[in-house]
Formats: sequence, structure tokens, C-alpha cells
Amino acid sequence: AQSVTQLDSQVPVFEEAPVELRCNYSSSVSVYLFWYVQYPNQGLQLLLKYLSGSTLVKGINGFEAEFNKSQTSFHLRKPSVHISDTAEYFCAVSVPPAGFQKLVFGTGTRLLVSP
Amino acid sequence: DTAVSQTPKYLVTQMGNDKSIKCEQNLGHDTMYWYKQDSKKFLKIMFSYNNKELIINETVPNRFSPKSPDKAHLNLHINSLELGDSAVYFCASSQSNRRAFFGQGTRLTVV
Repeated sequence: AQSVTQLDSQVPVFEEAPVELRCNYSSSVSVYLFWYVQYPNQGLQLLLKYLSGSTLVKGINGFEAEFNKSQTSFHLRKPSVHISDTAEYFCAVSVPPAGFQKLVFGTGTRLLVSP
Repeated sequence: DTAVSQTPKYLVTQMGNDKSIKCEQNLGHDTMYWYKQDSKKFLKIMFSYNNKELIINETVPNRFSPKSPDKAHLNLHINSLELGDSAVYFCASSQSNRRAFFGQGTRLTVV
């Protein structure tokens, strides 16, 4: 079975500072990896996904993530955050060919951006 | 227009009651899901329906019964509610195994 670990439950950061949200996964087979964002009182939105190919994946709102197979990680980064990036971020994994049909989520990391 | 909509947004009910949460998607997707997010924010899939047929049932108690009257709807009925059922329930949809779109969630509180 697959699992996802997001070690940081909360990450406080100042506006315009860089941020990295950590995600590690466990799987005995190849995986697809995803980052979702949940703004207050809203559903989850897909930020980016890794299915295959280039290990550096660019998503919406200036976010990017890098798949590192040897470290089983898929950390999310943004070089300069905005107040509006304050939200809950979820890392998720699935096993091909399930794709989005069976996502296993981490417990989330709350990003708090202050002025 | 909301792509995946759930009703109600909030639901407070007593133990032992039966309640339903409705979900509708207007994206023309063939697959719909129910996820449960517990108090520790752990988000886990409960059910998945493809073309109105159940394809994933993740060891969910029998008290939970999904019903898909058509491809655009997947309702969740819960019998004999327990305190541990308190959570946020998310509906989602996708076209086969492509990108899943999530609803805003239904916060269920059992007292």
C-alpha cells in the first residue's frame, strides 16, 4: 500500500519569502504524485502533478515541485509567496493506471503567509 | 457555475439519526468519488463510481451507502450516525482517471 507523509503541519512564512513544503511517499511500485491546495471554505484544487517525464513539474500560481525517486520525495516550492497563498496544501499519491481514481493523501500542511 | 456542488455545506445532527449528503457535477465526467477528511485532516477515499457502478469501496461501514441515480449525481446516505462519523466529506469527479475536481465539502457534526 502507498502512504504519504507531510512532516510539517504548519509553515509560517513572510510575504515575498521563498517556501518549501515537504512531502515524502512510500510505495513499492511506481507512482503518480500530486499537490492540491485547499483555500478556506473551498474544495481542493489541483496545483500540479507528476505522471512521468521531467522530474521538475511546474504548476499554477508559480508553484513547482521536484520528484526525487531516490529520496521518495515530492517537495513543493515557490520562490516568493503572497498573502493569498495562505491555505492548506495536500500531497497525494496514486498508482498507475489508477491516476486520479484512487488518491492517497497526506495530512496536509497549513501555509501561513504574513506581511 | 460550480463544477462539483455538494449540499448541505454544514450538517449538525444527533447520534442515531439517518442523513444524506448530495453531490452533483456538471462537467460530464463519468467517475465520481466520496472522500472523508477526519479531525486530523487525514483525507481518505471512501467510494468511487464509474458510470453509475461502484468500483472502489474502501472498508467503509455498511451504515454508509452511496447512491448514483445517474452519472451526474452521487449521494451519500449514512444510517445510525455515530460520533466518529463527524468529519468533512468531499465529493469529487473526473473523466476516467484524469484530473479530479473536488466539491467544497460538507462538514458533518454528530452530537
